[in-house]
Amino acid sequence: EAGVAQSPRYKIIEKRQSVAFWCNPISGHATLYWYQQILGQGPKLLIQFQNNGVVDDSQLPKDRFSAERLKGVDSTLKIQPAKLEDSAVYLCASSLSTYRYEQYFGPGTRLTVT
Amino acid sequence: GESVGLHLPTLSVQEGDNSIINCAYSNSASDYFIWYKQESGKGPQFIIDIRSNMDKRQGQRVTVLLNKTVKHLSLQIAATQPGDSAVYFCAVGDTGRRALTFGSGTRLQVQP
Repeated sequence: EAGVAQSPRYKIIEKRQSVAFWCNPISGHATLYWYQQILGQGPKLLIQFQNNGVVDDSQLPKDRFSAERLKGVDSTLKIQPAKLEDSAVYLCASSLSTYRYEQYFGPGTRLTVT
Repeated sequence: GESVGLHLPTLSVQEGDNSIINCAYSNSASDYFIWYKQESGKGPQFIIDIRSNMDKRQGQRVTVLLNKTVKHLSLQIAATQPGDSAVYFCAVGDTGRRALTFGSGTRLQVQP
């Protein structure tokens, strides 16, 4: 079974630029999550989708972050404009459904904002 | 909201010894607990989970213990191997929010 795919793996941008991350979850997984992991910390949930609907985006900085999952499969997370404090690893995870806690993580995208 | 903390940021053990990593949580409504292992440059990898109706669950070389009275859980790794070196996170979920809150992680270092 293929795992969660993410791209790019690494990205370096200057502050105030924009950036987008892509995630392809495990086939058949209805729930998709985006996490932000700052160095030395645990992952923090940014947004949770159930199919193409948003379940929880309470911790998403909506003034600069946006995410979509238009067809209920792939998802993109965008930051515009980026700030220095956005430097982190962005992890995508998926699970069979909202009622199944087991989440499977992708390798992450390491973002450096200079 | 939920807060999850680990007792030690770093744990160093000798190869072959048993390792114990501890975690505390704050929300008494939490009903699902999971341990993840994260190696450098990789995403978290599921190790073992336990629900609130249990107090112990065993896997291959790993055991999770849950003490709901004091809101504490632990991960025990038997016969620790160099390949076990990684950062270990506990994560806590509750039926209402249906999301996981992660702790800050414990780095396990296995000395040969």
